[in-house]
Amino acid sequence: AQKVTQAQTEISVVEKEDVTLDCVYETRDTTYYLFWYKQPPSGELVFLIRRNSFDEQNEISGRYSWNFQKSTSSFNFTITASQVVDSAVYFCALSERSNFGNEKLTFGTGTRLTIIP
Amino acid sequence: NAGVTQTPKFRILKIGQSMTLQCTQDMNHNYMYWYRQDPGMGLKLIYYSVGAGITDKGEVPNGYNVSRSTTEDFPLRLELAAPSQTSVYFCASSDTGPGSNSPLHFGNGTRLTVT
Repeated sequence: AQKVTQAQTEISVVEKEDVTLDCVYETRDTTYYLFWYKQPPSGELVFLIRRNSFDEQNEISGRYSWNFQKSTSSFNFTITASQVVDSAVYFCALSERSNFGNEKLTFGTGTRLTIIP
Repeated sequence: NAGVTQTPKFRILKIGQSMTLQCTQDMNHNYMYWYRQDPGMGLKLIYYSVGAGITDKGEVPNGYNVSRSTTEDFPLRLELAAPSQTSVYFCASSDTGPGSNSPLHFGNGTRLTVT
């Protein structure tokens, strides 16, 4: 069965520090997709990034960067120079093969990130 | 373009009552999903649909039913509500499924309490 583990339940850092959120996954599929979503205090879920299993290039988007390593089944997320607005719960997710193809997402339990001003 | 709209935002039910959580999307997405989020937990898939008339069970379908008669609407029915169904429910949609270049678009959630 598919599994996504986010071992860090809560992290607090002081503003402007860098922080890395860990994500480890398990899958038997050879083709799969990994995602990060952000859930701010207002409660909505915001898509951040999608990465397919054939693309191990790291990605940077502004202060956000993602490190995908198939060898360790990890898809870690780093925020550089953190800001108070980054305070949220962050979810890692893995696409799962379903009866119709590859349409289901399995979510980790989330990491609550608090940025202290 | 409203995206994914869920109603109601909040609801309190008594044990044994039934209700329908509404979800509609105006993006013409084929794929729609219902997730529940329990406190301090991740999202668990209840049911999903890959198009009108096609639905399938997710990880935690017991106690729920769905239908998908149109592309836009994907209501979630709770029969005989139980305290274990107290949760926040999220509806989501996707154009061609998360396996393609199409992320999930989530609604703002429905907070349900069963007492």
